[in-house]
Amino acid sequence: AQKITQTQPGMFVQEKEAVTLDCTYDTSDPSYGLFWYKQPSSGEMIFLIYQGSYDQQNATEGRYSLNFQKARKSANLVISASQLGDSAMYFCAMRENSGYSTLTFGKGTMLLVSP
Amino acid sequence: EPEVTQTPSHQVTQMGQEVILRCVPISNHLYFYWYRQILGQKVEFLVSFYNNEISEKSEIFDDQFSVERPDGSNFTLKIRSTKLEDSAMYFCASREGQGATGELFFGEGSRLTVL
Repeated sequence: AQKITQTQPGMFVQEKEAVTLDCTYDTSDPSYGLFWYKQPSSGEMIFLIYQGSYDQQNATEGRYSLNFQKARKSANLVISASQLGDSAMYFCAMRENSGYSTLTFGKGTMLLVSP
Repeated sequence: EPEVTQTPSHQVTQMGQEVILRCVPISNHLYFYWYRQILGQKVEFLVSFYNNEISEKSEIFDDQFSVERPDGSNFTLKIRSTKLEDSAMYFCASREGQGATGELFFGEGSRLTVL
């Protein structure tokens, strides 16, 4: 079974609009962390935001916020006021607390921001 | 800001040749990882390394692969006899501590092309 599911292969958004990228996860571990990474066409992986399973509040980092719904096992990324430079591949990832905490990635969502 | 550095950024090699990809993790980090991303696909875990030994590896990490931390700063991935399907972007990553929390810092990747 997929541990991280990103159902949107691609998303379009107009500049200055907000966009939500979906991510659902599957774990039986009570302690885990959820991450979002951005991968522009140049290929590097850029950390955006982190949410811990015990965090009471949704994580926010500038224009990025994480809509964490623990009961639904979802961790959607919300980008407010999209910019052209936000066009990239976005990966949701999870680290479980068991073992040595390998990061497991979803398949990614390609975001295209149009002027 | 400290960063993970990888060399080379791009390597082209003939099938059957040995390749060594090098990484310098962030200096106070204790956990090191190699991930790979075949073009257009998701990022896949290869191996994690802690306390000078492999702590976890995926089924991708077969006998053709090895990792080493030869001198306390470099962390290398060796592919003994490259195959066409080894063509991918290889990411090195490091982090400070164990557990679910904490950012995983990625290098910019080494693109390997096997001809």
